[in-house]
Amino acid sequence: QKEVEQNSGPLSVPEGAIASLNCTYSDRGSQSFFWYRQYSGKSPELIMFIYSNGDKEDGRFTAQLNKASQYVSLLIRDSQPSDSATYLCAVTATTDSWGKLQFGAGTQVVVTP
Amino acid sequence: KAGVTQTPRYLIKTRGQQVTLSCSPISGHRSVSWYQQTPGQGLQFLFEYFSETQRNKGNFPGRFSGRQFSNSRSEMNVSTLELGDSALYLCASRLGQEAFFGQGTRLTVV
Repeated sequence: QKEVEQNSGPLSVPEGAIASLNCTYSDRGSQSFFWYRQYSGKSPELIMFIYSNGDKEDGRFTAQLNKASQYVSLLIRDSQPSDSATYLCAVTATTDSWGKLQFGAGTQVVVTP
Repeated sequence: KAGVTQTPRYLIKTRGQQVTLSCSPISGHRSVSWYQQTPGQGLQFLFEYFSETQRNKGNFPGRFSGRQFSNSRSEMNVSTLELGDSALYLCASRLGQEAFFGQGTRLTVV
């Protein structure tokens, strides 16, 4: 079993709609949770991170964390064609390992005009 | 503010050779991590350096090594290259919990 799991997609989303991405993790000791966006042929870009249960909003993005259920999600509101990319979920296990990110395989999002 | 700089951007090497990749972190960032990205395995952690000390190491063979200098610049070395080492090698510079990636070095082993 992979430690960080994501649906590979592609997730097709109409322009202007909400894209919902999910990520589950196996290590209950996971501390911090990150969402990265990676365009084809580019390096990952940090969207946001969350470490407390609940929601965290940043512009059109909302991260949601539920440690009891061991999942973290990312909502993209008012999806734009420029949001078409692969979204990577990453976790860190302990406060000593902030430099060690464990990544999921990524979910490809395609926003259709 | 300059980002994370990785050199070279592209490399083609022959099986059995060795290669050294370089990473210059964002000014003030003391933590540098290295990752390997392949289509089959995704992004996998190689190692992390902080203040010239290796703090974490991933599950890669000893052919993969790294080091960090006093100015926080880091290098990774892969010896006795294999075809399976062909990948995008990414360096991440970290301050606190936020890690920022460089553009990567695309290594092709032929």
